[in-house]
Amino acid sequence: KQEVTQIPAALSVPEGENLVLNCSFTDSAIYNLQWFRQDPGKGLTSLLLIQSSQREQTSGRLNASLDKSSGRSTLYIAASQPGDSATYLCAVKAGGFKTIFGAGTRLFVKA
Amino acid sequence: DVKVTQSSRYLVKRTGEKVFLECVQDMDHENMFWYRQDPGLGLRLIYFSYDVKMKEKGDIPEGYSVSREKKERFSLILESASTNQTSMYLCASSSRDMNSNQPQHFGDGTRLSIL
Repeated sequence: KQEVTQIPAALSVPEGENLVLNCSFTDSAIYNLQWFRQDPGKGLTSLLLIQSSQREQTSGRLNASLDKSSGRSTLYIAASQPGDSATYLCAVKAGGFKTIFGAGTRLFVKA
Repeated sequence: DVKVTQSSRYLVKRTGEKVFLECVQDMDHENMFWYRQDPGLGLRLIYFSYDVKMKEKGDIPEGYSVSREKKERFSLILESASTNQTSMYLCASSSRDMNSNQPQHFGDGTRLSIL
């Protein structure tokens, strides 16, 4: 059974710092991995999607990597800003319609 | 721009009531999903639909039903609301291909409280 784990559960960093969020999954047979952002009381916003054949995706200050063999993905945020404060979730898509979500990492960037 | 709209941001209902949560998407997506999100448990899939009038149970369907009469609308129904159904409910949609690399798009969520 696929399980997705995100560590740490919460993270507080000063503004300007580069940071890495971690996601691990137990079954390497995935179609893609997606990173989402969730602001308090809101829905999920898709940030990056990495296909199983890809190693990384970049969007602005965000870079996501995928290592299927080790069951790991990282989300790198460069030059963090207070506006980056949110919960970040990763999700893996296995066969069919199933998407398995991690519990998220709650990020707080201090001004 | 992509849009998934949930009819209510906040809803308060009483135990035993029949509750309807509505979700509409404007992207002509075939797949639609209902999740609930609880602290420490993450998102859990309740039901999904891959076409009009089609539905499939997710991981936690008990106490819920769904309706998909039109492609753009997916309704979640709590047949007889109970306090353990107090939660944040999230609707999502995606394009058809089961193996697709198209992302899921989410609504803003409905925070439902059952008293």
